[in-house]
Amino acid sequence: EIVLTQSPGTLSLSPGERATLSCRASQSVTNNYLAWYQQKPGQAPRLLIYVASSRATGIPDRISGSGSGTDFTLTISRLEPEDSAVYYCQQYVNSPHTFGQGTKLEIK
Amino acid sequence: QVQLQESGPGLVRPSETLSLTCLVSGYSISNGYFWGWVRQPPGKGLEWIGSIYHSGSTYYNPSLKSRLTISVDTSKNRFSLTLSSVTAADTAVYYCAREDTGDPFDMWGQGTVVTVSS
Repeated sequence: EIVLTQSPGTLSLSPGERATLSCRASQSVTNNYLAWYQQKPGQAPRLLIYVASSRATGIPDRISGSGSGTDFTLTISRLEPEDSAVYYCQQYVNSPHTFGQGTKLEIK
Repeated sequence: QVQLQESGPGLVRPSETLSLTCLVSGYSISNGYFWGWVRQPPGKGLEWIGSIYHSGSTYYNPSLKSRLTISVDTSKNRFSLTLSSVTAADTAVYYCAREDTGDPFDMWGQGTVVTVSS
């Protein structure tokens, strides 16, 4: 089973700043089958990024993903209050398709 | 527009069986994709439960495999989850969602709350 470790646990930033979220895998994620989701309270997760760096439909270009192998990053530029949420990474190459434990992003 | 909707009892007694159904609209399950379940205990993160292909092929989380069955009914365009011998640790919001080989979950249901309690 691939274990995903996200850091930091909580990130508190101001509007207009840039957020950098990390996801580290216990073994290489083949084909970079790594996704990022955003989840707001009381809502289902929303797909943001797939294959590590491709934006899902409707996701603005200030949200970007990068990385390969075992180290991946989600970057959100020009933070807005609506970006306040928990962000999860997930690998979908090996069953079980494990999730990271999440990073909570707070906008001051 | 593809939509997924979970349904099932909100309260299940310990040691009994939890059964949920996900009705898919706007897309025929028979056309492809894997159809899966994810759960989220109160205040915690996401856990992948398992997925099923329209042909019936399944992939289960090993941590749940001994208690888990996921099935599909293409005639009613829905798929189901059955989890036996539940305990309080199975209390969670259960989501159904769509994924595929090489693609993550791109469509999600709104989630349904299941509480295990006597």
